[in-house]
Amino acid sequence: SQTIHQWPATLVQPVGSPLSLECTVEGTSNPNLYWYRQAAGRGLQLLFYSVGIGQISSEVPQNLSASRPQDRQFILSSKKLLLSDSGFYLCVLREGVTFFGQGTRLTVV
Amino acid sequence: QKEVEQNSGPLSVPEGAIASLNCTYSDRGSQSFFWYRQYSGKSPELIMFIYSNGDKEDGRFTAQLNKASQYVSLLIRDSQPSDSATYLCAVNPNDYKLSFGAGTTVTVRA
Repeated sequence: SQTIHQWPATLVQPVGSPLSLECTVEGTSNPNLYWYRQAAGRGLQLLFYSVGIGQISSEVPQNLSASRPQDRQFILSSKKLLLSDSGFYLCVLREGVTFFGQGTRLTVV
Repeated sequence: QKEVEQNSGPLSVPEGAIASLNCTYSDRGSQSFFWYRQYSGKSPELIMFIYSNGDKEDGRFTAQLNKASQYVSLLIRDSQPSDSATYLCAVNPNDYKLSFGAGTTVTVRA
């Protein structure tokens, strides 16, 4: 069965520092992968999705970028974090059914 | 207009009562509808999905869909304290995208 590994679980970073969140999946090939962010008291906002290696679609203009260097790896990055980047980041796999990673709680200070 | 709208709550119900959650969506072409439960600090977990107009029941949960009114709801019967959580409505406007509402916070009073 499909499994999503997402790390780290929590992260505190200063403003202006870089970011790299990694997501890897098992038990499937060529999955559709997504990065969502949930700000405090708000719903899940779709940031990026990828339907294959090197293919990235961005839903909203922002300070973040995504990459898919391998079929089962999806990375969310930033060169310089802003306070507004704080939130709960979720890697999501969709294959008919939707699978969520455990999430990363990012606090930018 | 937001793609998916929900009342943020909080919705407070006594134990054993029915909790009723509502959701509206903007894309008339949406075909799939989902309800997720999210405990604080955790990832969402799927409760129910519904594709066709009408009611769908699963245990204490009933999802209702009305595509003409662009409305989907979730009923929780015999509410338990463990049902206290945020409930997210999600809609598939196309094959790739899954859009979420902001969620309704439910508190079940013992």
